[in-house]
Amino acid sequence: DQQVKQNSPSLSVQEGRISILNCDYTNSMFDYFLWYKKYPAEGPTFLISISSIKDKNEDGRFTVFLNKSAKHLSLHIVPSQPGDSAVYFCAARGSTGGFKTIFGAGTRLFVKA
Amino acid sequence: KAGVTQTPRYLIKTRGQQVTLSCSPISGHRSVSWYQQTPGQGLQFLFEYFSETQRNKGNFPGRFSGRQFSNSRSEMNVSTLELGDSALYLCASSSDRGKITGELFFGEGSRLTVL
Repeated sequence: DQQVKQNSPSLSVQEGRISILNCDYTNSMFDYFLWYKKYPAEGPTFLISISSIKDKNEDGRFTVFLNKSAKHLSLHIVPSQPGDSAVYFCAARGSTGGFKTIFGAGTRLFVKA
Repeated sequence: KAGVTQTPRYLIKTRGQQVTLSCSPISGHRSVSWYQQTPGQGLQFLFEYFSETQRNKGNFPGRFSGRQFSNSRSEMNVSTLELGDSALYLCASSSDRGKITGELFFGEGSRLTVL
């Protein structure tokens, strides 16, 4: 069962513009939502997270928005830089049924110089 | 602070064999999770351990097993390997707070190829 879905396999953006990566989830019991970034031949690295009781969290160029009614979250990167080119994974964490972090399939972001 | 260390980084096995992968978490982290990454499938959750106890398990057959030792190091084992087991196996550790929030620190992974 795909509880966390990233429907866009890839996204291409011009340097300096905004990148918006989207994620949908089905389980309303998740407590935290996270974004991870992965470069080739490396493990994913944590980028930013948001608690289910908030609707926005910002960290420098990265902002995550959470819309609980739509079960949707998004990651905004402004301005986008070529070094941001990577695969971005959306993830959700809940304690129901034991702690487990569920990941989406990932979106590959290309930032063109 | 040293990161999460996984060994071996690469390995090639043949169908029917078994494999053991090792993971050393960040010092002080008691929680270790394992994930399988295949193209187009994202990271599929295998299992999570905390203080030597398996806390959760994903939807994988019984051929996939794991354990955690008293020093928090973890191993996962795959028996009777199948071609479809070819993947990148990622280990992640988390602090006690990260166990709640989901903030994971990943190793570089062990890439398994089954021929």
